[in-house]
Amino acid sequence: AQTVTQSQPEMSVQEAETVTLSCTYDTSESDYYLFWYKQPPSRQMILVIRQEAYKQQNATENRFSVNFQKAAKSFSLKISDSQLGDAAMYFCAYTNQAGTALIFGKGTTLSVSS
Amino acid sequence: DVKVTQSSRYLVKRTGEKVFLECVQDMDHENMFWYRQDPGLGLRLIYFSYDVKMKEKGDIPEGYSVSREKKERFSLILESASTNQTSMYLCASRYAGTGTYEQYFGPGTRLTVT
Repeated sequence: AQTVTQSQPEMSVQEAETVTLSCTYDTSESDYYLFWYKQPPSRQMILVIRQEAYKQQNATENRFSVNFQKAAKSFSLKISDSQLGDAAMYFCAYTNQAGTALIFGKGTTLSVSS
Repeated sequence: DVKVTQSSRYLVKRTGEKVFLECVQDMDHENMFWYRQDPGLGLRLIYFSYDVKMKEKGDIPEGYSVSREKKERFSLILESASTNQTSMYLCASRYAGTGTYEQYFGPGTRLTVT
């Protein structure tokens, strides 16, 4: 069975600094999709970034980028130039090519200080 | 933009009551999902639906049932609410065709069973 592990329950960063959130996963599939979702306090969960396993190039979305290491089954999220609005719980998630339900990690709570 | 709405943000029910949580999406998505979110456990899949009148059990279906009579609406039913069902419930939807497999989430319903 596929699993997703986020080993950092909490992280903190100062404004304008860079922070990296870790995620590892386990699967025997060769084709799959990985996601980072953001859930601000009392607000809706939104997609931050996605990565297709068949793509070697790491995905980037403005200040957010990933380091996808397929052989190591690692999928970390880097947030550059952190802003107060980045404070949230971040979930790493996996789905296989059949595209059924997402499998989530337990989440990392990120706090940002000024 | 995709919009997923849930009937209530906060709900308080008594033990033994029958509880209905409603979810509506406006993007003609075939797939819909119900997750339960608990601190330290991340999101866990309760049920999902491939299409109208179709449903599949997720990881924690005990004590829950679902109904999907129309494509845009997916209901989660707690047949006899218990205190261990106090939780945050998140609905999501997804386009079933090939693509990114991104899921779009509703704002969540925080259910308290007393």
